[in-house]
Amino acid sequence: AQSVTQLGSHVSVSEGALVLLRCNYSSSVPPYLFWYVQYPNQGLQLLLKYTSAATLVKGINGFEAEFKKSETSFHLTKPSAHMSDAAEYFCAVSGGASGGSYIPTFGRGTSLIVHP
Amino acid sequence: DAGVTQSPTHLIKTRGQQVTLRCSPKSGHDTVSWYQQALGQGPQFIFQYYEEEERQRGNFPDRFSGHQYPNYSSELNVNALLLGDSALYLCASSLLGQGGGRTNEKLFFGSGTQLSVL
Repeated sequence: AQSVTQLGSHVSVSEGALVLLRCNYSSSVPPYLFWYVQYPNQGLQLLLKYTSAATLVKGINGFEAEFKKSETSFHLTKPSAHMSDAAEYFCAVSGGASGGSYIPTFGRGTSLIVHP
Repeated sequence: DAGVTQSPTHLIKTRGQQVTLRCSPKSGHDTVSWYQQALGQGPQFIFQYYEEEERQRGNFPDRFSGHQYPNYSSELNVNALLLGDSALYLCASSLLGQGGGRTNEKLFFGSGTQLSVL
């Protein structure tokens, strides 16, 4: 079985400040990990993915995430928040080529609030 | 290039009724997955269709059924609606290719159908 835990249902930052959204995973096989973003009244959009290549993954809109096996974490960061980053962010895990379910399991989401 | 389209965008039903939601995948994709997203929650996997067959199923009762057509479009049917079925229903498409690959490295999501059951 695989699962993710997103720490903090809401994260509030000031515009220009560092964004850090936390995700810890549980998987019995080497995982694939994803971050998706959901803007109001829209579907989910893939920000970035880890598929067992480089542990530091760069995504769209200046976001990046680092896979840390020892900590079973895949936290999402952005050096400087923009007002347009305000949205719901979802971490997801699936099995990869080594096995496990290939259907992504999503976390409960973290709402990013950006103050001017 | 059209992305994933879902219809209708909003729907209101009463308990006990039946509903059909529709999804057209992104051009070139062959696989459709359906997710239920309750308010304040992450998407929960309902099932996935590939080559007109249900390939994987999540922990949802038989009241939830689906279909995939030869043009890869898909329907989600829910019978005997309950209040708890009120949610945003998301369709996601991907490309598994011939033989059906193992990975879903990139899902493309539609904007969803907001279902309200009264």
